[in-house]
Amino acid sequence: QKEVEQDPGPLSVPEGAIVSLNCTYSNSAFQYFMWYRQYSRKGPELLMYTYSSGNKEDGRFTAQVDKSSKYISLFIRDSQPSDSATYLCAIMKTSYDKVIFGPGTSLSVIP
Amino acid sequence: EAGVAQSPRYKIIEKRQSVAFWCNPISGHATLYWYQQILGQGPKLLIQFQNNGVVDDSQLPKDRFSAERLKGVDSTLKIQPAKLEDSAVYLCASSLVGREEFFGPGTRLTVL
Repeated sequence: QKEVEQDPGPLSVPEGAIVSLNCTYSNSAFQYFMWYRQYSRKGPELLMYTYSSGNKEDGRFTAQVDKSSKYISLFIRDSQPSDSATYLCAIMKTSYDKVIFGPGTSLSVIP
Repeated sequence: EAGVAQSPRYKIIEKRQSVAFWCNPISGHATLYWYQQILGQGPKLLIQFQNNGVVDDSQLPKDRFSAERLKGVDSTLKIQPAKLEDSAVYLCASSLVGREEFFGPGTRLTVL
């Protein structure tokens, strides 16, 4: 079983839609949960960073972690064409541990 | 603030040839990472340096891959000899210790 799994997509939505991206992970020792955005031919950039369970909101983006079910989500409200990218979930056991990335979900927001 | 620089951006080689990638991290960042990202997959850590010491190289195929970090600043990653399955994007990242990683644009390697 892979440590972190993610639907690869591709996911295509109309502009203004609410997008839900999801990941599951296998080991309850993971405490830190991140979402990265990766545009084509660019490196990943950190979008959201959450410690333990709960929700975190930043503008149109909300990250949600449910440690009891080992499930992490990213919601994008009022999606824009500029949100078209690959979204990678990532996990760490401690802030000094290595980051383990999911395979990414490709998102296209159609104007 | 300048970001992480990598070169070359693209490289095409024949299998069994050698190739080297270069990375210049963000100034002041003690930690430097090399990742391999195969098409359709997330980045996989190959090696992590803190200053010029290796912290983690457990996933580096040491029979063909090597990396060094000169004077705790720039780093090079070498593959010798290359195999078809080494075709990937090689990403360099840097960070302050225990903080957010900043990624470079990557080097896209094609092995024919």
